[in-house]
Amino acid sequence: RKEVEQDPGPFNVPEGATVAFNCTYSNSASQSFFWYRQDCRKEPKLLMSVYSSGNEDGRFTAQLNRASQYISLLIRDSKLSDSATYLCVVRNTGGFKTIFGAGTRLFVKA
Amino acid sequence: GAVVSQHPSRVICKSGTSVKIECRSLDFQATTMFWYRQFPKQSLMLMATSNEGSKATYEQGVEKDKFLINHASLTLSTLTVTSAHPEDSSFYICSARVPGLDEQFFGPGTRLTVL
Repeated sequence: RKEVEQDPGPFNVPEGATVAFNCTYSNSASQSFFWYRQDCRKEPKLLMSVYSSGNEDGRFTAQLNRASQYISLLIRDSKLSDSATYLCVVRNTGGFKTIFGAGTRLFVKA
Repeated sequence: GAVVSQHPSRVICKSGTSVKIECRSLDFQATTMFWYRQFPKQSLMLMATSNEGSKATYEQGVEKDKFLINHASLTLSTLTVTSAHPEDSSFYICSARVPGLDEQFFGPGTRLTVL
């Protein structure tokens, strides 16, 4: 089993749609959680950190459920510019080792 | 935010040659840098953790003698792919940890093509 698993995708949605990405992680000792965005042939860029209390940044909302070892990302009012691959990222205790999920590709169409 | 650069951005080489990739933290000192590899349509896989002034820590399955890492200063880590073969063709990305922060910043990546 992979340490971090994501929806396989791709997700094809129209502009204005709401889309949700799910992610599960296997190491219960994992400490920090993030969503990154990666555009084609570019480096990943931090979208947002994920906290147990849930956090929101504009159209983006992230949730963490430690009991279920589950992370989610909700994008509201999708824009064409949201088209990218979204990576679920988990950092384990000690050593700052970061584990990336395989990513979910999102296509937002006009 | 902190800036990390990589050089070169793209390299094409013949099989059997060695290729050096540089990763620099431009506006901060990074005691720890990380090297990742990403094959097409796959996620980033951590290859090794590079610590300034000490030997790198390699992930399981990564050959130390093939992927030489040197972190000689607080702003520079290098990855040398020795005797490169076509299967080493990939997108190599470095990142640097900002001291005191629970965050890492990524370089723009180096696309290696081995013919």
